[in-house]
This record gives sequence, C-alpha cells and structure tokens, in this order.
Amino acid sequence: DAGVIQSPRHEVTEMGQEVTLRCKPISGHNSLFWYRQTMMRGLELLIYFNNNVPIDDSGMPEDRFSAKMPNASFSTLKIQPSEPRDSAVYFCASSFTGGPNEQFFGPGTRLTVL
Amino acid sequence: GENVEQHPSTLSVQEGDSAVIKCTYSDSASNYFPWYKQELGKRPQLIIDIRSNVGEKKDQRIAVTLNKTAKHFSLHITETQPEDSAVYFCAATADGLTFGKGTHLIIQP
Repeated sequence: DAGVIQSPRHEVTEMGQEVTLRCKPISGHNSLFWYRQTMMRGLELLIYFNNNVPIDDSGMPEDRFSAKMPNASFSTLKIQPSEPRDSAVYFCASSFTGGPNEQFFGPGTRLTVL
Repeated sequence: GENVEQHPSTLSVQEGDSAVIKCTYSDSASNYFPWYKQELGKRPQLIIDIRSNVGEKKDQRIAVTLNKTAKHFSLHITETQPEDSAVYFCAATADGLTFGKGTHLIIQP
C-alpha cells in the first residue's frame, strides 16, 4: 500500500484565492482526520470522518474552512477565501476504525498564502 | 474537550543517556495515548502507544508509562542515539487525537 496520499505537496497562493487540499486514505481505513500544524499552535485536529460521515468538526477554525468526504477513498479540505494566517502544513491521517487506533499520516501539504 | 500539556519543550541529553518526556491530560474519558516522532520536514510517525487498561509498555529502548489516576503519561528513551533527535508528540484521545505541543529532543554527541 502506498500509504496516505496528499496533494498537492506544496501550494503557494494569494490572499483571497480558493485552496483545495486532497487526501486519499489507506485502502480499508474507515476513519479520516485533517490536522493543521504551525509553530505557534502545534498540531491541531480540524475535523474527522468515520465511514465518510463528519463526526467532529469543532476544530475547524471558521466558516472559510470546509471538508468533504464523498466516498471512502477521497477527501478534500477547502479554504475560501484564503488568508495569510492559514499558512501551515496540513496533514491528513487515516485509521482502521473510528475508535482509538494508530493513525497513519500523509506527507502533508505545505500551504503558503501571500 | 481534551487538553494535553507536554514538558519539556526542549530536551538536550548526552548520547547514551536517558530521556524522559512527560504529558498530562484532562479528559478522564481518554483511553488511548500514542507517541509520535516527527523528523524535520517529515510526517509524524507512531513510535509507541498505550491503552488505558495498561500501566506500562516497552519496545526495545522505548517505554511508556500511564497513571490514569493522576492523568499523566511519560515516554522514556534509554541509551539515546543521534537518530533519536527529533520532535516528539504525545497525544490523548477517545476518538480524534489531541496533541501536546511537542518536545524537541537533541542528542549531544
């Protein structure tokens, strides 16, 4: 298995533009998590899905952020409009069940908003 | 929600010595406590985890202890080596992980 796949790996955009980050979880995993990592705030859970259903989105910073999981093999995190303070590394992770089990992280997307 | 505190933020030890990183959590419902290692520019990777029905777990040079009553857990690395240099994160969860702020471990040759 290739592991969790994220794209793009790097994204540079201008303030006000829409940004879409993509994630393909490990095949067979039914939980998917989106995290944001910054020096100031560390690793923050934004939202997680279990069997394609959003379970907890309390970590989503504001309405500019939205996430979808249309099927078991694909998820998107969208920021519209983007702001410079959204600059961070965004990680997607997946695990086998919705309960507490090892989460496997993707390589991350480094987002820079100018 | 869960709140995880991690100390110290930076730890420098001599090669061959032991390193200990400590975390506390707030939610008594948390029942899974993983530790992740993150090298510069890389993704976090699980190095060891412990569940709430276990007090201690060991894997070669790495061990984790859990005190549910006090709501704290610790990572112990013995005989440290240069490749142990990284940022280590503790986490606590019942579902989505809440991470500590990380400990930058520096192994001095």
